[in-house]
Amino acid sequence: SQQGEEDPQALSIQEGENATMNCSYKTSINNLQWYRQNSGRGLVHLILIRSNEREKHSGRLRVTLDTSKKSSSLLITASRAADTASYFCATDHSGSARQLTFGSGTQLTVLP
Amino acid sequence: EPEVTQTPSHQVTQMGQEVILRCVPISNHLYFYWYRQILGQKVEFLVSFYNNEISEKSEIFDDQFSVERPDGSNFTLKIRSTKLEDSAMYFCASRTYRGPNEKLFFGSGTQLSVL
Repeated sequence: SQQGEEDPQALSIQEGENATMNCSYKTSINNLQWYRQNSGRGLVHLILIRSNEREKHSGRLRVTLDTSKKSSSLLITASRAADTASYFCATDHSGSARQLTFGSGTQLTVLP
Repeated sequence: EPEVTQTPSHQVTQMGQEVILRCVPISNHLYFYWYRQILGQKVEFLVSFYNNEISEKSEIFDDQFSVERPDGSNFTLKIRSTKLEDSAMYFCASRTYRGPNEKLFFGSGTQLSVL
């Protein structure tokens, strides 16, 4: 089964608007993390939410987690052109190595 | 903030050649990982490494792949005989321990092109 499927696949908004990206997963998790990737670059950790948490904030980022629905959302408020990037959710589920399983990502474009 | 360093940033090789991708994890980290991302696709787990041995590997990590921590700082991924389909961005990552709230620190990647 696939973990961490994001939607939408692509999102285009105007600067100043809010951007919401969703992630669904299939098996139980320890935590869920969101990463950002600028085109052709490395992965930057944004925020981690534990399985017993429902909401978390970090600056302009707000993450929610609904373990009953096996879903999470990432909200970026007051978006800026510099927020243009791909955003991935990654699930940390039980396993000997605790490796992350990444979703397909949402390509966010913020138009100036 | 401490960083995971990867070299080279780009590597071009001929099919059938061996390549070694290098990583310097963050110094007090104990768990090391390699991931890859084929252009336009998901980031995929390859292998994890702890206490000088592989702790888990994916189906992608076949006999052509190997990892090594030759000294106290470097962590390498070797592809013995590269194939065209090995062309991808390879990411190294590390974390301090396997606690439930530990984030993974990623390097900026090595873009491998197999011709």
